[in-house]
Amino acid sequence: DAGVTQSPTHLIKTRGQQVTLRCSPISGHKSVSWYQQVLGQGPQFIFQYYEKEERGRGNFPDRFSARQFPNYSSELNVNALLLGDSALYLCASSLVSGRGDEQYFGPGTRLTVT
Amino acid sequence: GNSVTQMEGPVTLSEEAFLTINCTYTATGYPSLFWYVQYPGEGLQLLLKATKADDKGSNKGFEATYRKETTSFHLEKGSVQVSDSAVYFCALRKSNQGGKLIFGQGTELSVKP
Repeated sequence: DAGVTQSPTHLIKTRGQQVTLRCSPISGHKSVSWYQQVLGQGPQFIFQYYEKEERGRGNFPDRFSARQFPNYSSELNVNALLLGDSALYLCASSLVSGRGDEQYFGPGTRLTVT
Repeated sequence: GNSVTQMEGPVTLSEEAFLTINCTYTATGYPSLFWYVQYPGEGLQLLLKATKADDKGSNKGFEATYRKETTSFHLEKGSVQVSDSAVYFCALRKSNQGGKLIFGQGTELSVKP
């Protein structure tokens, strides 16, 4: 079975631009979460979606938004990019959204803002 | 608030040495605890987990025990290999926060032949 896939793998944007990152969960998984990992730090939670509804939001500005589609894939959008948004963006999927449910991570999208 | 603290890295060991990476957490109630591993250029892989006090998670020779009394979840391995070189992350998840994982800062492990 295919794991979590993310696209693109890498991209370079300029300050002020907008970016869309995509994630396809493992088949049968209904929950998707997004994390930001700045170099040298642990991942920080951005959003969780379950059955197309937002279930959780981390401490990120409104420039960050996301959505989940009927096929459970997800997009993360970041507007008005800042240099500090440069990071590895990780997507994780799980069957549901409960406490003990295991999350599987994708390889990430490396975003560089210049 | 909820948080995870890991020992500072990098940790450099010789092959077949004993490994301990310390992890302590701050959280109310009974969170689930996890260790994830990240190999260079890759995403995170779940290494092991424990969902209640005194549980021991184990996988690929790695072990960690959920210690409620010391709020700790230290990672151990009896004999490391060069292939274990990676960054290790300790994380917790609260029952009332769905899928949100809270990660420590990571500990880089380098194993020399």
